[in-house]
Amino acid sequence: EAQVTQNPRYLITVTGKKLTVTCSQNMNHEYMSWYRQDPGLGLRQIYYSMNVEVTDKGDVPEGYKVSRKEKRNFPLILESPSPNQTSLYFCASSFRDSADTQYFGPGTRLTVL
Amino acid sequence: RKEVEQDPGPFNVPEGATVAFNCTYSNSASQSFFWYRQDCRKEPKLLMSVYSSGNEDGRFTAQLNRASQYISLLIRDSKLSDSATYLCVVNIGSNYQLIWGAGTKLIIKP
Repeated sequence: EAQVTQNPRYLITVTGKKLTVTCSQNMNHEYMSWYRQDPGLGLRQIYYSMNVEVTDKGDVPEGYKVSRKEKRNFPLILESPSPNQTSLYFCASSFRDSADTQYFGPGTRLTVL
Repeated sequence: RKEVEQDPGPFNVPEGATVAFNCTYSNSASQSFFWYRQDCRKEPKLLMSVYSSGNEDGRFTAQLNRASQYISLLIRDSKLSDSATYLCVVNIGSNYQLIWGAGTKLIIKP
């Protein structure tokens, strides 16, 4: 089944404790991105990647890191999480670029205490 | 002014009715337009792309008005299963980011 998977789905952590949210797609998509969704603000892009080893900042990259060592994986790293990073996070992928249909993972609900 | 604006709703509509909502965008260079559907904090899914000539998919019709910089979504004969949040998405080029509206919540009542 073609899909985007994210893990974990739910995470409660404390300020400053490094964490990684994994994202993997099995559709051989070139474009991958991370979003956060907060009430009333819509989806805001954190980082995106046009292909392996190519990443770029989105609208809200502060406090986040990403890497794209393999085509299928695009992990999101929070080196020192803070409460303002409490949010719903979505990973997405598309065939080639942002103009193509975006396929989303199920989301990761992160709470930073 | 937000780059993509939507009425947050909720729109409470009886089953079987027709409902329409708009989305305005500020960048006149915008090239691609989409409607995504999101159920109760689940992942968004593409509902339909919006073409310059307008397009229809069953009970759903999307239109683009470049002069006034808005896109619209019309749902005819609404079903209970249409209850969701509808996200408007605008793209100014394939090498650029997608700009997402905050969504319009639709509730279909029996």
